[in-house]
Amino acid sequence: GNSVTQMEGPVTLSEEAFLTINCTYTATGYPSLFWYVQYPGEGLQLLLKATKADDKGSNKGFEATYRKETTSFHLEKGSVQVSDSAVYFCALSVSYGNNRLAFGKGNQVVVIP
Amino acid sequence: ETGVTQSPTHLIKTRGQQVTLRCSSQSGHNTVSWYQQALGQGPQFIFQYYREEENGRGNFPPRFSGLQFPNYSSELNVNALELDDSALYLCASSALAGNEQFFGPGTRLTVL
Repeated sequence: GNSVTQMEGPVTLSEEAFLTINCTYTATGYPSLFWYVQYPGEGLQLLLKATKADDKGSNKGFEATYRKETTSFHLEKGSVQVSDSAVYFCALSVSYGNNRLAFGKGNQVVVIP
Repeated sequence: ETGVTQSPTHLIKTRGQQVTLRCSSQSGHNTVSWYQQALGQGPQFIFQYYREEENGRGNFPPRFSGLQFPNYSSELNVNALELDDSALYLCASSALAGNEQFFGPGTRLTVL
């Protein structure tokens, strides 16, 4: 089946530090890959996406590259801000007439001033 | 352009009761998906509706049912509520041919 695995545990870091959140996937076919962000008390917002191998998605200083050879889609940001504190979810979709999303468990990111 | 809206925002029910959650899709979208997000977990796919027909279902029992209306809005119904049904219920709309889903703010359901 289709599944996403994210690194365990919350991530706490200081402002302006480098952020990496690991994401690996298992899928039948050729998935599209996504990162969603959830701020406290809110729904999910699409942060970035990539639809084929070697594509790089980017938005608001965040980047992730679709690596088919390692089945990974790690999220990175060079210099985080306090406002980046949120929960980040990696997800995939394999569209066979149904674009359902399979999500990872999410990572809480806390940025300390 | 109006985004995805959901009602109510919060809901408290007791075990055994029934609940209906509502979702209005984003303008131009004909597909609605529902997800359950338990505390501290990622969202789990419940089902999807396309043009008023169910178009895929996740691993949820039949007491989870839905409807989609001609204006593409949707309802999620849950019968015989259990304590484990306590969660944030998210609705997302999309164009079926597309691969991007847009989420509403969710309905927080608490079952006592």
